[in-house]
Amino acid sequence: TQLLEQSPQFLSIQEGENLTVYCNSSSVFSSLQWYRQEPGEGPVLLVTVVTGGEVKKLKRLTFQFGDARKDSSLHITAAQPGDTGLYLCAGEDSGAGSYQLTFGKGTKLSVIP
Amino acid sequence: NAGVTQTPKFQVLKTGQSMTLQCAQDMNHEYMSWYRQDPGMGLRLIHYSVGAGITDQGEVPNGYNVSRSTTEDFPLRLLSAAPSQTSVYFCASSYQAGGRGGYTFGSGTRLTVV
Repeated sequence: TQLLEQSPQFLSIQEGENLTVYCNSSSVFSSLQWYRQEPGEGPVLLVTVVTGGEVKKLKRLTFQFGDARKDSSLHITAAQPGDTGLYLCAGEDSGAGSYQLTFGKGTKLSVIP
Repeated sequence: NAGVTQTPKFQVLKTGQSMTLQCAQDMNHEYMSWYRQDPGMGLRLIHYSVGAGITDQGEVPNGYNVSRSTTEDFPLRLLSAAPSQTSVYFCASSYQAGGRGGYTFGSGTRLTVV
């Protein structure tokens, strides 16, 4: 089973601050996805990155896939209380015939007004 | 546009009881899966299906059964509930195997086994 390590595990910041969340592995992934989960709900897909070095932007969120496709980062600019939630990264196994996504344990973000 | 529908939302079982968690999707997705989410453990794959009539085990399959008789439905059966199965269960679907393109998750079933 491939492992994804997310850091930090918890993050509490003031509204308007910037932050970066990391997702690291020793394994290569075919693609990597980021989700946000709010209490009592299922995760909601934010983005999928496929190509090494790829950068995607979603409003104030910037996602980057490492050149070697082993790591990814999520950067939030000028965080808002609505960004509060659990952020999960998930990697698609690059092994032939695999149909599984491996999830990290998540980063719990609290943005204080 | 319902997406992925899970029922029930909450359930309390006694040890040894059996039950079925229902999952239905209306997006014609071939790939469906069941995860459990526990504090400090993240999301762990229980079982998955790449199409009607085809299922396979994930990381933590013991104590659970699945079947996939239609594209739309993917029920999860607990045969004899144990306290260790207390968790939040999520069903997810994707139009591509392995979840590439992204999963659509249901809102979860919170199960407590006493």
